[in-house]
Amino acid sequence: DAGVIQSPRHEVTEMGQEVTLRCKPISGHNSLFWYRQTMMRGLELLIYFNNNVPIDDSGMPEDRFSAKMPNASFSTLKIQPSEPRDSAVYFCASGRNRGHTEAFFGQGTRLTVV
Amino acid sequence: RKEVEQDPGPFNVPEGATVAFNCTYSNSASQSFFWYRQDCRKEPKLLMSVYSSGNEDGRFTAQLNRASQYISLLIRDSKLSDSATYLCVPEGSGNTGKLIFGQGTTLQVKP
Repeated sequence: DAGVIQSPRHEVTEMGQEVTLRCKPISGHNSLFWYRQTMMRGLELLIYFNNNVPIDDSGMPEDRFSAKMPNASFSTLKIQPSEPRDSAVYFCASGRNRGHTEAFFGQGTRLTVV
Repeated sequence: RKEVEQDPGPFNVPEGATVAFNCTYSNSASQSFFWYRQDCRKEPKLLMSVYSSGNEDGRFTAQLNRASQYISLLIRDSKLSDSATYLCVPEGSGNTGKLIFGQGTTLQVKP
């Protein structure tokens, strides 16, 4: 079975540029999560979707961040404009919400904004 | 109070030792709990799920104390390969699917 697939694996961009991170969840999963991980703040939940609908985006740091899930097999996290403090590893995870949710993570996108 | 609190460690133990980590959570409505393991520069991986008072899987035992709102993870007969960061994850109230991760506890098993 293919796991959660994220692209790109690494991204280096200049401050002010738009960055788009992509995620393909595991087929059949109906929950999708975007997390950001830094040494200082650990693993932070940015937003999560159930059945393609955003349920809680209270973790999105500011309006520069946006996430979409146009269908069950694809999601994007966009940062526009990017700033150096956005440098982190961004993880996408998916799970099957059936009273409880066991989430499985992609390998992450390591973003560096210079 | 943070939603999830863990002692960051590091816990340095010799091979073969038994080690336990605690995790406290603030949302009394959480029903499902998970332990994840994260190796350096890798993604977190699900280690154990806890839905009732506890769960056991080989050398790993998780216990849940709802009254005190803490979960523990016990590792018996530690192996070098157990060296990693262990993340505690209570699921949001009503099993909404909201998974909030603790900061993690780092374990280093030494020969």
